[in-house]
Amino acid sequence: DIQMTQSPSSLSASVGDRVTITCQASQDISEHLKWYQQKPGKAPKLLIYDASNLETGVPSRFSGSGSGTDFTFTISSLQPEDIATYYCQQYDYLFTFGPGTKVDIK
Amino acid sequence: EVQLVESGGGLVQPGGSLRLSCAASGFTVSSNYMTWVRQAPGKGLEWVSVIYSGGNTYYADSVKGRFTISRDNSKNTLYLQMNSLRAEDTAVYYCATFKHWGQGTLATVSS
Repeated sequence: DIQMTQSPSSLSASVGDRVTITCQASQDISEHLKWYQQKPGKAPKLLIYDASNLETGVPSRFSGSGSGTDFTFTISSLQPEDIATYYCQQYDYLFTFGPGTKVDIK
Repeated sequence: EVQLVESGGGLVQPGGSLRLSCAASGFTVSSNYMTWVRQAPGKGLEWVSVIYSGGNTYYADSVKGRFTISRDNSKNTLYLQMNSLRAEDTAVYYCATFKHWGQGTLATVSS
């Protein structure tokens, strides 16, 4: 099975800050990685697919990069509405989610 | 517009069964892969099962042998039959294509 790790598990940042989350796969998954945003009580929302492609309608302040085993998710300028938990997910072989990163406003 | 609407959750005793349904509109269930993902209270997302367009099915180790995913093409509906339920199966269950998600249905396993 492919295991996914994320860091940090939580972070606090100010409005306008650049926020970076990392995700690591236990084996090479090429670019078969997605990023999701989940707000409390809501279903996850797909933000990024194929490691770096922005889903239609998602603000351009969100971006993703990486391939192989190491990936990065960035919010270029944190907004109050970005408060949420963010998950990475591999789909190279079946599916595995990372443990999530909770983002708060400082 | 694509919509996924889950139903069938509820309270069940350990060892019992539940059948979850996911009614789809705006797209054809049989032409996509469809998955079930669950989220225990206060925890992260866990992939549970997938059914591919060709009919192949796969399960997470935690539910293998107890859960069965299926679909009814005539009703454009996805199902998850959950047997031998345990307390640790308590979660909100989402059906999803990953691009699209339902609102979730809560299954609680407790005596």
